[in-house]
Amino acid sequence: DAGVTQSPTHLIKTRGQQVTLRCSPISGHKSVSWYQQVLGQGPQFIFQYYEKEERGRGNFPDRFSARQFPNYSSELNVNALLLGDSALYLCASSLGTSQGTYGYTFGSGTRLTVV
Amino acid sequence: AQKVTQAQTEISVVEKEDVTLDCVYETRDTTYYLFWYKQPPSGELVFLIRRNSFDEQNEISGRYSWNFQKSTSSFNFTITASQVVDSAVYFCALTGSEKLVFGKGTKLTVNP
Repeated sequence: DAGVTQSPTHLIKTRGQQVTLRCSPISGHKSVSWYQQVLGQGPQFIFQYYEKEERGRGNFPDRFSARQFPNYSSELNVNALLLGDSALYLCASSLGTSQGTYGYTFGSGTRLTVV
Repeated sequence: AQKVTQAQTEISVVEKEDVTLDCVYETRDTTYYLFWYKQPPSGELVFLIRRNSFDEQNEISGRYSWNFQKSTSSFNFTITASQVVDSAVYFCALTGSEKLVFGKGTKLTVNP
């Protein structure tokens, strides 16, 4: 079975541009979460989606948005990119919303570099 | 607010040494879960263990063992007889609901 798939794997963007990152969850998983991992830090929670609805949002500006599609895949959009948005963006999928109950499987991430 | 502290930024050992990675957490939740993840250079977070707050039994899985002590809010991870393949960044994480709160990680280097 395929794991969590993220695309692209690497991306270079210029300040002020917009970027879209994509995530396909494990088959049967209905919940997708996004995390940002800046170099040298632990991942930080950005969003959680379940059944196409936003279920949680971390402390990130409105430049960050996401959505989940009927097939449970998800996109993370970041507008007006800043140098500080350079990070590894991780997607995690789960059967349900409770991370403790169901556990999450992470993808390999998209490494975004803003220049 | 929830918080996870991994005080050891980097640890370097020689192969076959035992090594313990420390994790201290803060939470007001009575029900919560603790995790350890391994992150190799490829970037993927590899799940190692999940523990709920009601289960304080220590766990052993091969060369890995975990010591959960609620009284000191700690969830330490020990690798016995370390190997070069254990080299990675290890994260401790905590959740009470929908999001994981991670520590800053401990970079473990095992030298041959």
